[in-house]
Amino acid sequence: ETVLTQSPGTLSLSPGERATLSCRASRSVSSNFLAWYQQKPGQAPRLLIYDASNRATGIPDRFSGSGSGTDFTLTISRLEPEDFAVYYCQQYGTSPMYTFGQGTKLEIK
Amino acid sequence: EVLLVESGGGLVKPGGSLRLSCAASGFSIISHNMKWVRQAPGKGLEWVSSINSGSTYIYYADSVKGRFTISRDNAKNSVFLQMNSLRAEDTAVYYCAREVYSSRSYDFFDHWGQGTLVTVS
Repeated sequence: ETVLTQSPGTLSLSPGERATLSCRASRSVSSNFLAWYQQKPGQAPRLLIYDASNRATGIPDRFSGSGSGTDFTLTISRLEPEDFAVYYCQQYGTSPMYTFGQGTKLEIK
Repeated sequence: EVLLVESGGGLVKPGGSLRLSCAASGFSIISHNMKWVRQAPGKGLEWVSSINSGSTYIYYADSVKGRFTISRDNAKNSVFLQMNSLRAEDTAVYYCAREVYSSRSYDFFDHWGQGTLVTVS
């Protein structure tokens, strides 16, 4: 089973700043089959990024994903008030057993 | 609009059973593999179970194997999760999720329901 470790656990930033969230896999993620989801309190997760770097439909271009192998990054270029939430990475593609990272909470400083 | 609406959650005693339902609208589930994902209070996301369009490939997390059963009724555009022998650690919000339509075997989840809360106490 591939274990995904996200860092930091909590990130405190101000609107307008740049956010960089990390997701590290315990072994190489095949074909960059990695997704990022955003979850706000009391809401379901929402797909942001798939295949490591592709934005999902309707996702603003301030969100970008990068990385390969075992190291992946979600970047939010200029934080908007609505971006403060919890972010999860997820690996898929090679096994029917999906795994998620433990999440990074992005909070307002 | 794609919608997934879960129902069937509630309070149940340890050892009890519940059956969750997920009603889909705005698309036909016959074209999609479907999932259940749960989230314990204040915790992260945990994949629970998957079922392919023809119900021929079914998978479970080790934590629920032998106790939970996933099924689907394509004619009713619905997915189900039968949960037996429930434990306190099964307490969570249970989400139904749709796997994106693709030719790949296991893919990301492009739509999620709002979830239904299961409390085992």
